[in-house]
Amino acid sequence: GNSVTQMEGPVTLSEEAFLTINCTYTATGYPSLFWYVQYPGEGLQLLLKATKADDKGSNKGFEATYRKETTSFHLEKGSVQVSDSAVYFCASNAGGTSYGKLTFGQGTILTVHP
Amino acid sequence: GAVVSQHPSRVICKSGTSVKIECRSLDFQATTMFWYRQFPKQSLMLMATSNEGSKATYEQGVEKDKFLINHASLTLSTLTVTSAHPEDSSFYICSAIGTEFPGNQPQHFGDGTRLSIL
Repeated sequence: GNSVTQMEGPVTLSEEAFLTINCTYTATGYPSLFWYVQYPGEGLQLLLKATKADDKGSNKGFEATYRKETTSFHLEKGSVQVSDSAVYFCASNAGGTSYGKLTFGQGTILTVHP
Repeated sequence: GAVVSQHPSRVICKSGTSVKIECRSLDFQATTMFWYRQFPKQSLMLMATSNEGSKATYEQGVEKDKFLINHASLTLSTLTVTSAHPEDSSFYICSAIGTEFPGNQPQHFGDGTRLSIL
């Protein structure tokens, strides 16, 4: 079956620090990969995505590269801001008969201090 | 684009009451909608997949008679928590995938409904 594993949190950083949140996946076939962000009391917002190997998704200074050889999709940002404090979810979409169904990682809480 | 609206955002009601939550795709048609439940500081748990005009597909362990899902149109799905009890208190989130989107496109999420049963 499909699974997604994220690094344990919470992650606490100072403003302008470098961020990495690790994400690895297992899947049959070639899933699409996503990062979602959830702010307190809200639903999930799509942050970025990649649909095939070596694709790089990017948005708002965040980046993640689909690495088939390491089955990873690590999230990075060069300089975090206080407003980036949120919960980040890595997810995979197996497509096919499970069309649209997402498998989520456990989420990583990020707190950025001024 | 791809906006999903969920209503209400918060509901507090007495034990034994039935509560209906609406999920609407505002600017696209959604063939498939998903309903999730999220416990504090945890990931999302998929409850069911809802396809327009057909019965919902429930995940293992989710009571069909407790959580009634209706997807009567391409822009609206509803989740009704019947005879709610305190253990049903949770954050419920819906998401949708549009008809125009090709395969492996992202789900678009509503802002969630905080359900509190007293």
